Amino acid sequence: GAVVSQHPSRVICKSGTSVKIECRSLDFQATTMFWYRQFPKQSLMLMATSNEGSKATYEQGVEKDKFLINHASLTLSTLTVTSAHPEDSSFYICSAIRGAVQGQPQHFGDGTRLSIL
Amino acid sequence: GESVGLHLPTLSVQEGDNSIINCAYSNSASDYFIWYKQESGKGPQFIIDIRSNMDKRQGQRVTVLLNKTVKHLSLQIAATQPGDSAVYFCAEEGSGYSTLTFGKGTMLLVSP
Repeated sequence: GAVVSQHPSRVICKSGTSVKIECRSLDFQATTMFWYRQFPKQSLMLMATSNEGSKATYEQGVEKDKFLINHASLTLSTLTVTSAHPEDSSFYICSAIRGAVQGQPQHFGDGTRLSIL
Repeated sequence: GESVGLHLPTLSVQEGDNSIINCAYSNSASDYFIWYKQESGKGPQFIIDIRSNMDKRQGQRVTVLLNKTVKHLSLQIAATQPGDSAVYFCAEEGSGYSTLTFGKGTMLLVSP
C-alpha cells in the first residue's frame, strides 16, 4: 500500500521548453502532496505543498510562476516547469500523505530526472 | 533557521555488522521523526518513524532511538546486508506542521 507513482522518470529537453511532471497516489486519496527538488549528493529541499482544490503553498525562494502546481483531484498533482533553463536541471520528487495530515509519513514517488540542454 | 543535521556523511561496514546512523536536530518543537532510505536514482523509502512521546521504536532489523534531551536521533540496523547500501535521511516534522525538514544524509556502504 501507499504507492506513489511519478511520471515521467526522465526528461531531456531544450532550453525554453515547459515540462509537466505528474504525481499520482495509486491506492489512497491524498489531500496533500509535496514537491521536492534534489541536487546530486544533497538532501531534499521542499519546493511547495500542494493542496487539493486550493492554491499551492510555496517555500521561500521558489518562484510560483516558474513552477506551476495543480492539484485537481485527490490522486493527482502536477508540477510544470515553465520555460526551463539549464539551471532547472535537477531531480524532482513528489510525495503524498495518506489520511491525517500531521504525524503521518510521506510516501515518495521515484522522482523525475530533468535535464535541460 | 533551524535544521536537521548528521554527524557522519559516509559509513562503511562489513556485511553482518550492526550499523548506527546518527542525526542531530535543533528544533525542540519537532514532535515526529522519520528515517528514509534512498537508493540511487529513486525516491526516499520509508523505514521507520517515532513520535516525541517515545524514546525507542523497533521494526524488522531496525531500531530508532530518540533522545529529546540532547536532540539526537539514531537509526540502528542489525545484521547489515549489501542491500542496505544507500543514503539514509532523517526528517523531522514540527508541531502544528505537515512539512518535513530533511537532514543532510548519510551514505551507508556495506561490503560483503
